[in-house]
Amino acid sequence: DAGVIQSPRHEVTEMGQEVTLRCKPISGHNSLFWYRQTMMRGLELLIYFNNNVPIDDSGMPEDRFSAKMPNASFSTLKIQPSEPRDSAVYFCASSLGAGMNYGYTFGSGTRLTVV
Amino acid sequence: AQSVTQLGSHVSVSEGALVLLRCNYSSSVPPYLFWYVQYPNQGLQLLLKYTSAATLVKGINGFEAEFKKSETSFHLTKPSAHMSDAAEYFCAVYTGKLIFGQGTTLQVKP
Repeated sequence: DAGVIQSPRHEVTEMGQEVTLRCKPISGHNSLFWYRQTMMRGLELLIYFNNNVPIDDSGMPEDRFSAKMPNASFSTLKIQPSEPRDSAVYFCASSLGAGMNYGYTFGSGTRLTVV
Repeated sequence: AQSVTQLGSHVSVSEGALVLLRCNYSSSVPPYLFWYVQYPNQGLQLLLKYTSAATLVKGINGFEAEFKKSETSFHLTKPSAHMSDAAEYFCAVYTGKLIFGQGTTLQVKP
């Protein structure tokens, strides 16, 4: 199993540009999660999906952020327009079921720098 | 609301010494608790999990954790630190989703 695959690994963009982060969950996992990691705020859950349906997006910071999961094997997190304060490492994770028994499997992350 | 608090943002030990990373939880119901490790420039990797089957949980790389309800604690230990254990460690509680503590950076000195 290739694990959770995120792309790109690094992204540098200018303020105001649109950024799209991509995630391929583990095959067979039916829950997908997007986290953001910063020094100041630690690991924050932005949104999670179950069976491709968004369940809880209360962690999405503002309307500039949006996430989609068009099918069981692909999800995107989009920031439009991007701002310097969005600079962070963004992780995607997936789990089988709710995740209480097995935890989540994380991807390697996308390091986003907005200049 | 359920949460976890990690005591000490930075812990330093000598190689071969005992590793003790502290985590306390707040929960009104029996919690599901996890420890994850993050090596530099990598994602989080599951070390071990407590799901009420046994209070002493053994994980990968020689780590273990003991669930103590009376102390609302789930501390992570390893008898003898290796240089390769240097990383950031996160305690997490499942509340319908995984909520992480602030993390503890473990430094291992030769």
